[in-house]
Amino acid sequence: RKEVEQDPGPFNVPEGATVAFNCTYSNSASQSFFWYRQDCRKEPKLLMSVYSSGNEDGRFTAQLNRASQYISLLIRDSKLSDSATYLCVVNLNTGGFKTIFGAGTRLFVKA
Amino acid sequence: GAVVSQHPSWVICKSGTSVKIECRSLDFQATTMFWYRQFPKQSLMLMATSNEGSKATYEQGVEKDKFLINHASLTLSTLTVTSAHPEDSSFYICSARRTSGRANTGELFFGEGSRLTVL
Repeated sequence: RKEVEQDPGPFNVPEGATVAFNCTYSNSASQSFFWYRQDCRKEPKLLMSVYSSGNEDGRFTAQLNRASQYISLLIRDSKLSDSATYLCVVNLNTGGFKTIFGAGTRLFVKA
Repeated sequence: GAVVSQHPSWVICKSGTSVKIECRSLDFQATTMFWYRQFPKQSLMLMATSNEGSKATYEQGVEKDKFLINHASLTLSTLTVTSAHPEDSSFYICSARRTSGRANTGELFFGEGSRLTVL
């Protein structure tokens, strides 16, 4: 089993749609959680951190369920510019930070 | 603006030559930097952890004599692909975690990546 698993995708949605990405992690020592966005042929960039209390940034909402070891990202009112690969990233603290990346979920938003 | 800078962005070389890629943290000191490789339509694969002043830690299956890492200062790590072959063609990305000056959030900052093509 992979340490961080994401929806395989790709997701193809029309503009204005709401889309949800799911991610599960296997190591209970996981300490901090992030969603990164990666555009084609570019480096990943932090989209948002994920907290147990949930957090929202405009059209983006991230949630963490530690009991279920599950992370989600919700995008409302999708824009064409949201088309990208979304990476679920988990930091383990096993005496030092170790970062585990999910395989990513590709999103295509179409007009 | 960028907090981690990587150079060169693109490099094309002949098979058998060596290529050096630089990764710099611009406004913070990074005792640890990370090097990744990414093949098309695949996720990032951690190759090694670069440690300032000591040897790099390589992930299983990554040849340390093939991918030489040097972290001579707190702001610079270099990856040298030695005797490059076409199968080494890939997107190489570095990252660093800002830990100085504020609470450690664990956020990774990535360089812009270096696309290597070996002919």
